[in-house]
Amino acid sequence: AQTVTQSQPEMSVQEAETVTLSCTYDTSESNYYLFWYKQPPSRQMILVIRQEAYKQQNATENRFSVNFQKAAKSFSLKISDSQLGDTAMYFCAFMKGAGANSKLTFGKGITLSVRP
Amino acid sequence: SAVISQKPSRDICQRGTSLTIQCQVDSQVTMMFWYRQQPGQSLTLIATANQGSEATYESGFVIDKFPISRPNLTFSTLTVSNMSPEDSSIYLCSVEGQGYYEQYFGPGTRLTVT
Repeated sequence: AQTVTQSQPEMSVQEAETVTLSCTYDTSESNYYLFWYKQPPSRQMILVIRQEAYKQQNATENRFSVNFQKAAKSFSLKISDSQLGDTAMYFCAFMKGAGANSKLTFGKGITLSVRP
Repeated sequence: SAVISQKPSRDICQRGTSLTIQCQVDSQVTMMFWYRQQPGQSLTLIATANQGSEATYESGFVIDKFPISRPNLTFSTLTVSNMSPEDSSIYLCSVEGQGYYEQYFGPGTRLTVT
């Protein structure tokens, strides 16, 4: 079974600064998919970024980028130029594959607060 | 990404009653999922609903407590039966993305059981 660990329960960052959220996972699979989801106080879960394990290149989406270290089973999210709207709970998640393997396993989440 | 709606958005129910939550998607999808998010906690998968077949339940969740229907490729319901205060949670449905290897979530249903 897969496990996803987010050991930091809370973080705070000043507006316009950069923050990194940590995530580690454990799996025996060689190919899989990793995600960061954002859940604002309104509770709508939003997909932030996705990484395929077979790709060495780290995924980027505008101000969001990941540092994927497959050997270390580490998948951190970097948010650059933090904005007040980035205040939310962030979940790291793991997926084995498509179809019957497409269920997500989530970490406990981290609450990020962006200070004005 | 798919547009997903859920009804109701919230409800307050008495213990011992049942509530059916609806999930509607604006496009046909093969896989739909139901998750529970207890207060201040992460998401836990309840079951996977594939159209035309019985839902597949995760360990700790049973069909008698959480019956699921999946009558077509755009709709699913989750019923929370014989509710107790421990069932107070946010219930979210999600769907597999068109490109696979990704999921999109509905806005959730906040359930409070008194």
